[in-house]
Amino acid sequence: GAVVSQHPSWVICKSGTSVKIECRSLDFQATTMFWYRQFPKQSLMLMATSNEGSKATYEQGVEKDKFLINHASLTLSTLTVTSAHPEDSSFYICSANPPLAFSNEQYFGPGTRLTVT
Amino acid sequence: GENVEQHPSTLSVQEGDSAVIKCTYSDSASNYFPWYKQELGKRPQLIIDIRSNVGEKKDQRIAVTLNKTAKHFSLHITETQPEDSAVYFCAASRGTGGFKTIFGAGTRLFVKA
Repeated sequence: GAVVSQHPSWVICKSGTSVKIECRSLDFQATTMFWYRQFPKQSLMLMATSNEGSKATYEQGVEKDKFLINHASLTLSTLTVTSAHPEDSSFYICSANPPLAFSNEQYFGPGTRLTVT
Repeated sequence: GENVEQHPSTLSVQEGDSAVIKCTYSDSASNYFPWYKQELGKRPQLIIDIRSNVGEKKDQRIAVTLNKTAKHFSLHITETQPEDSAVYFCAASRGTGGFKTIFGAGTRLFVKA
């Protein structure tokens, strides 16, 4: 099946620094990828839709200047958390779905656990 | 905006019993309804899905039903086993490609041996 990877799997950073998370589709091209955030014991909250070659579409309440998304190629989207604060500590997951006819299935990356100290 | 409500938030059953989780969605244009199982610290795993042109789908011990008119869909797990213990999420989307998926709040299922 389709594979989506994320890097790093976990990261600890100091408050005020920036962190970049990569999401790659390993065996298919994805014009669209999605970024989610999941706090402990909560659901996946969609943050933004990453579109290859154009600007990301952010969900209401998500600061686009704080969560920078770049989708520079058909296999890579990056999420940069700028000026991170402890409240940004969360599990960040990306997803994509292969451009197969009649396939709606989302393939998720393994997630990145961000801890801001 | 789009919303998916999921109930119950916690469900505890005895091994061998059935478990039912229910969801409702608000976006009439939704036509794809996946169910995911997530274990602690792991990515969600698709366990079953259903499209809007189908009312019911079954895969071994797992079944999903969809009532498009009422905008309800449900997950049924029969003969539950301890390894079924996890968090289950329902979701809804409009389809392939650029359409986003909206998740329910999740149901924490405990299967007691």
